[in-house]
Amino acid sequence: AQKVTQAQTEISVVEKEDVTLDCVYETRDTTYYLFWYKQPPSGELVFLIRRNSFDEQNEISGRYSWNFQKSTSSFNFTITASQVVDSAVYFCALSGGYGNKLVFGAGTILRVKS
Amino acid sequence: NAGVTQTPKFRVLKTGQSMTLLCAQDMNHEYMYWYRQDPGMGLRLIHYSVGEGTTAKGEVPDGYNVSRLKKQNFLLGLESAAPSQTSVYFCASTRGGRYYNEQFFGPGTRLTVL
Repeated sequence: AQKVTQAQTEISVVEKEDVTLDCVYETRDTTYYLFWYKQPPSGELVFLIRRNSFDEQNEISGRYSWNFQKSTSSFNFTITASQVVDSAVYFCALSGGYGNKLVFGAGTILRVKS
Repeated sequence: NAGVTQTPKFRVLKTGQSMTLLCAQDMNHEYMYWYRQDPGMGLRLIHYSVGEGTTAKGEVPDGYNVSRLKKQNFLLGLESAAPSQTSVYFCASTRGGRYYNEQFFGPGTRLTVL
């Protein structure tokens, strides 16, 4: 069975601090995909990144970066120089197998204070 | 392009009442999904469909039924609502197949069962 664990329930930082959101996953599939979604206070789900299991290169997009390590089954997300607009719930998710279904972690609430 | 739309946005039901949630997508996506979001639990898959006329159970299917009579629509039905079904319901769609692209989510339906 697939499982995603986001151990940090809630994180509070002050603006301009860097913050890392942890994601650990479990799967028996050899081919799988990992995702991060953002849910701002308005409630919609915003796609941030997709990474397949064969691509362990780290990725950077502006202030966002992702570190994928198969050896530790982790796909961590770092926001550099956080801003108040980064305040949201962040979900890590795993997909693999029939139906391309997503298995979500419980989410991490990020609060960025000015 | 409206993307994924959901009807209604809010609904209050009494225990035992029935209702249908409608999801529509205009991206010609093959796969569609219904999730529910509860505090501290992330999103959990209720039912999904890999094509017109097909449906399958997800992680938490009890108390719900679905139909996919047209490719662009995916209906979620509650035959006899229970307070435990109070939740926010999200519909999603994706291209499907071997692509494992990101899922596009609707804005959500907030359902309260009294």
